[in-house]
Amino acid sequence: DGGITQSPKYLFRKEGQNVTLSCEQNLNHDAMYWYRQDPGQGLRLIYYSQIVNDFQKGDIAEGYSVSREKKESFPLTVTSAQKNPTAFYLCASSMLGTYQETQYFGPGTRLLVL
Amino acid sequence: KQEVTQIPAALSVPEGENLVLNCSFTDSAIYNLQWFRQDPGKGLTSLLLIQSSQREQTSGRLNASLDKSSGRSTLYIAASQPGDSATYLCAVRWVYGGATNKLIFGTGTLLAVQP
Repeated sequence: DGGITQSPKYLFRKEGQNVTLSCEQNLNHDAMYWYRQDPGQGLRLIYYSQIVNDFQKGDIAEGYSVSREKKESFPLTVTSAQKNPTAFYLCASSMLGTYQETQYFGPGTRLLVL
Repeated sequence: KQEVTQIPAALSVPEGENLVLNCSFTDSAIYNLQWFRQDPGKGLTSLLLIQSSQREQTSGRLNASLDKSSGRSTLYIAASQPGDSATYLCAVRWVYGGATNKLIFGTGTLLAVQP
């Protein structure tokens, strides 16, 4: 089955701890994205990557870091500098250079602070 | 500032009713507009994508329209079913985003279809 997988489904973070959220896609998409969703708010872009070993900050990148060492993988690290990390995190991917460029989303990871 | 607004925030209708969800956006220089569906605690599923040159797109019981001049899009759902209950999100890609395919999302409309 082609698609996007995210793990874990739930993640608990202690104060001062860095945690990493996994995102993998087998759609052969060039671009990958990380969004944060808070209750009553729309999705906000954290980071995105159009090519391996390159990524750009989105609208709310502070307190987060990413890497793109492989085309299929785009992990997101929530660092201790992110003071309000509790949210639902969504990963997405898309082709580039096509007219449609629909973004396909993973099932999400819910991050909670202990 | 580029913003997307969805009204109402929540909507409850009886099964079988036709309904319209609204999306408005600032700045008419859009590249495309998408409608997504999100079930509770799940990811997003793309329903319809309308390019800036198009006026509407249809898929089954769903019809999305686009009026760039007024900065509005509507999602029409015919003969609603309880299975249509979900949050519907509108997202816009503006021309200035370049090759990034950056989307700006509305806050969504929570739809409940009562059996």
